[in-house]
Amino acid sequence: NAGVTQTPKFRILKIGQSMTLQCTQDMNHNYMYWYRQDPGMGLKLIYYSVGAGITDKGEVPNGYNVSRSTTEDFPLRLELAAPSQTSVYFCASSYSRGETQYFGPGTRLLVL
Amino acid sequence: LAKTTQPISMDSYEGQEVNITCSHNNIATNDYITWYQQFPSQGPRFIIQGYKTKVTNEVASLFIPADRKSSTLSLPRVSLSDTAVYYCLVARTSGGYQKVTFGTGTKLQVIP
Repeated sequence: NAGVTQTPKFRILKIGQSMTLQCTQDMNHNYMYWYRQDPGMGLKLIYYSVGAGITDKGEVPNGYNVSRSTTEDFPLRLELAAPSQTSVYFCASSYSRGETQYFGPGTRLLVL
Repeated sequence: LAKTTQPISMDSYEGQEVNITCSHNNIATNDYITWYQQFPSQGPRFIIQGYKTKVTNEVASLFIPADRKSSTLSLPRVSLSDTAVYYCLVARTSGGYQKVTFGTGTKLQVIP
């Protein structure tokens, strides 16, 4: 199993551009999560999903959108990139609520 | 949202036992306590999870008092490779959806 994979590993965006961060898991987990981590800080939950077709906001959802059309994929969309969205983005999955979360390697995003 | 409080940082010499305490005063009856470890430029990874009393695995022990308002992660005989950030999480395994927060974690620096 590959676990949780994320693409791209690194991206530079100009202000106002849009992009989609990809996340795929092959563990048949129901729950998936998107976090952002600013330098020297903890992780903040952006969005999460409890199954295909069901998503909900986390702590910091503004400026982001998600969809979950399949169990395996949980893409994160940035519509109008802003410098404040410069961060490292981690995707995670778990079998159910409260269970161990498995994290991807992260996507480093720089908005200039 | 179950919040946790941890020391921001700790230093320890190699070979010593390290205890990191986490406060979670508003923990609910069906909440579990989970600890994660994060190395620089990597996603967090699971260390240990528990509900009450004591849990031990090959890398750590978790002590939870009867009132469950705090927990202590114990790392026996740390080495330089244990230098990382450690996060304490409280998460519900039943009932309604719950948004989990990682907080800022405890940065452990192991000194030679």
